[in-house]
Amino acid sequence: KQEVTQIPAALSVPEGENLVLNCSFTDSAIYNLQWFRQDPGKGLTSLLLIQSSQREQTSGRLNASLDKSSGRSTLYIAASQPGDSATYLCAVSGNNRKLIWGLGTSLAVNP
Amino acid sequence: GAGVSQTPSNKVTEKGKYVELRCDPISGHTALYWYRQSLGQGPEFLIYFQGTGAADDSGLPNDRFFAVRPEGSVSTLKIQRTERGDSAVYLCASSLVGEGETQYFGPGTRLLVL
Repeated sequence: KQEVTQIPAALSVPEGENLVLNCSFTDSAIYNLQWFRQDPGKGLTSLLLIQSSQREQTSGRLNASLDKSSGRSTLYIAASQPGDSATYLCAVSGNNRKLIWGLGTSLAVNP
Repeated sequence: GAGVSQTPSNKVTEKGKYVELRCDPISGHTALYWYRQSLGQGPEFLIYFQGTGAADDSGLPNDRFFAVRPEGSVSTLKIQRTERGDSAVYLCASSLVGEGETQYFGPGTRLLVL
């Protein structure tokens, strides 16, 4: 059974810091991995999707890597801003397409 | 519309009542997913449609939950004899089928069963 773990559960950093969020999964037979952002009381915003054949994806200040064999992904946020404050969720899908989720990392970027 | 829409945004009902939650996916997306999220938890998969048919309904918690997508577009999640434990945010997502398959989420319906 696939299980997804995210570390740390919460993170508080000063503005401008580069930071890394970690996601691990137990079954390496994944179809893809997605990183999402969730703001309080809001829906989920897709940030990056990495297909199982890829090793990383970049969008602006965000970079996500995937090491399928070790069951790990990292989300790197460069030059963090207060507007980056949110919960970041990692989810993996298998061939059945349903997403299995971690509990998220709650990020606070302080001005 | 440009994104996935869900109605109602909030629903308060009494224990034992029937509720319907609606999802309008992104136009042209053949895959549609329902998840639910309890406070402080990650979303939990409920059901996945490919076109009109349920490709995977293994996440539905019991037979009080049912979902339909009769024309392959709009979907309705139906909950009979609601219980307080059904209170959660119900999320709908849609995707294309093919390379990558990013799931795009709606804002959710917040269900509160009193």
